[in-house]
Amino acid sequence: DGGITQSPKYLFRKEGQNVTLSCEQNLNHDAMYWYRQDPGQGLRLIYYSQIVNDFQKGDIAEGYSVSREKKESFPLTVTSAQKNPTAFYLCASSSSGTALQETQYFGPGTRLLVL
Amino acid sequence: GEDVEQSLFLSVREGDSSVINCTYTDSSSTYLYWYKQEPGAGLQLLTYIFSNMDMKQDQRLTVLLNKKDKHLSLRIADTQTGDSAIYFCAEIPSHSGYALNFGKGTSLLVTP
Repeated sequence: DGGITQSPKYLFRKEGQNVTLSCEQNLNHDAMYWYRQDPGQGLRLIYYSQIVNDFQKGDIAEGYSVSREKKESFPLTVTSAQKNPTAFYLCASSSSGTALQETQYFGPGTRLLVL
Repeated sequence: GEDVEQSLFLSVREGDSSVINCTYTDSSSTYLYWYKQEPGAGLQLLTYIFSNMDMKQDQRLTVLLNKKDKHLSLRIADTQTGDSAIYFCAEIPSHSGYALNFGKGTSLLVTP
């Protein structure tokens, strides 16, 4: 059963705590993306990676970090420097990230709440 | 980045047609996309159109593209209650490294 999985579905963060959101894909896609969605807002790009061991900042990277050690995994860490982390986080992937006609497939999302 | 503009809400009766409009930002965007998001879920790709096309039809969905005005629309024929969702217009600007630039989404409510 191919697709993108994100875990957990809900995540609670205490002040000053770093938390990590998981994103895994078994589509053999080279490119992966993290977006943040706030109520009434579109999706904003946090980070993206076009290939293993390489990633680029998106529009709102401050307070976040990523790693891409394996092709199938692109975890996102929300650090204590991110002052307003409450949002819905969506992970996506596409085949190579180098062709404009490629479809991005999305995971089901993780909702992060601050205690 | 610049904003992709969409109206925020649309309400239609079941069986009517829905038209969701979008104005995008980058005239060099080669592909333009429509995604659907149901409550609490990820995004599902509905359709996309290549910039050298004026229209694309896919079953109940019709996409119209006016490249001169950078205007994109999605028409849903015979709208059903299951079509109630948020619809996002998206482009891939030439500077973005192939990441999507989204509008804020249009909430479509279909009433019986």
